Amino acid sequence: GAVVSQHPSWVICKSGTSVKIECRSLDFQATTMFWYRQFPKQSLMLMATSNEGSKATYEQGVEKDKFLINHASLTLSTLTVTSAHPEDSSFYICSARVEGGSTGELFFGEGSRLTVL
Amino acid sequence: GENVEQHPSTLSVQEGDSAVIKCTYSDSASNYFPWYKQELGKRPQLIIDIRSNVGEKKDQRIAVTLNKTAKHFSLHITETQPEDSAVYFCAASRANTGNQFYFGTGTSLTVIP
Repeated sequence: GAVVSQHPSWVICKSGTSVKIECRSLDFQATTMFWYRQFPKQSLMLMATSNEGSKATYEQGVEKDKFLINHASLTLSTLTVTSAHPEDSSFYICSARVEGGSTGELFFGEGSRLTVL
Repeated sequence: GENVEQHPSTLSVQEGDSAVIKCTYSDSASNYFPWYKQELGKRPQLIIDIRSNVGEKKDQRIAVTLNKTAKHFSLHITETQPEDSAVYFCAASRANTGNQFYFGTGTSLTVIP
């Protein structure tokens, strides 16, 4: 199957700093990528849809200025958590579908665990 | 928007028994229903999926059924094994590249040896 790679896998930062997470589609192009947030033992909550060359579409309740998304190329989307606080600590996962793929399958990155001290 | 509900939230079965997880969805335009398995600290992996033009699909010990009229679909795992222990998520989507997946709340399955 298609490969989505996410970096970093783990990040610890101090309150008030910003953290950038990268999501890459390694063997396919992705016009659209999705960013999810997952709390321990909970479901995948869609945060935003990242669109190459245009603004991301955020789900209701997700702060645009807090979670900056940039989709600069067909293989890279980045999520920047700005002025991070302990409540932002979570597991963030990106995903993408293969353009023109017949299966519709969603491929996930490895996830990035953010801990804000 | 789409709302996906999943039950039960936790499920324990004896090894060799069957496990059934059920989901309902609200958007009649959804036409693609995948099931993902997520082991602790790892990414979700697709285990089986079904499209709205099919009522049932089976892959070895795993099967999924879909009732479009009632807007519900179920995952069936037979002859469960300890390695089946994980969290399972159902999802609903429109099978176009740009459409989002909406996930159920997850079911933590424990298979007792």
